Amino acid sequence: QVQLVESGGGVVQPGRSLRLSCAASGFTFSSSGMHWVRQAPGKGLEWVALIWYDGSNEYYADSVKGRFTISRDNSKNTLYLQMNSLRAEDTAVYYCARDVSGSSSSTFDYWGPGTMVTVSS
Amino acid sequence: QSALTQPASVSGSPGQSITISCTGTSSDVGSYNLVSWYQQHPGKAPKLMIYEVSKRPSGVSNRFSGSKSGNTASLTISGLQAEDEADYYCCSYAGSSTSVFGGGTKLTVL
Repeated sequence: QVQLVESGGGVVQPGRSLRLSCAASGFTFSSSGMHWVRQAPGKGLEWVALIWYDGSNEYYADSVKGRFTISRDNSKNTLYLQMNSLRAEDTAVYYCARDVSGSSSSTFDYWGPGTMVTVSS
Repeated sequence: QSALTQPASVSGSPGQSITISCTGTSSDVGSYNLVSWYQQHPGKAPKLMIYEVSKRPSGVSNRFSGSKSGNTASLTISGLQAEDEADYYCCSYAGSSTSVFGGGTKLTVL
């Protein structure tokens, strides 16, 4: 069965960096576009970033552009999110989610349980 | 990348039908038949309920249906059940491989 499991969350000071990972199993990872979606405490979902199935293209929300980098290692079935220059407003649960297409259809059919990132001094 | 507009809350009694709207623009909802809906229970990950405006994934009850008119998409839940109480989010393709979510709607089953 399809499984996505995020890791790497924690408490980090403003301005510092953190890298999240998402381990995928149960499907052909190298055929799927993959996204990061976040949810601040008590707030709604916010799309963060997308990477195409082969890693050839990346796209970002304006709120994280230039600070976050999405990447993937298809040999390890793992998705990453490098987060630099973190701000208090980046505090959220971060979910990885599979796109039903190899690029983007904005249809997320599987989600991980999420990992919490808290940016605080 | 402005969020799609959803009502903050809706409510209904068991057995009734409710509809949640999701209003975007001609740059997202109005331009693409790539609107999806997600159900989220407290402390849980979202679950895909409707994709491509009106398609249901395998295993999702046929009590859930979707539609779109112009820049507004809608999710209808018929025969409301207690377990339908949750937050619901719409999402649309917004061009250039980006996505945009709605602000979410809290459904209360009275």
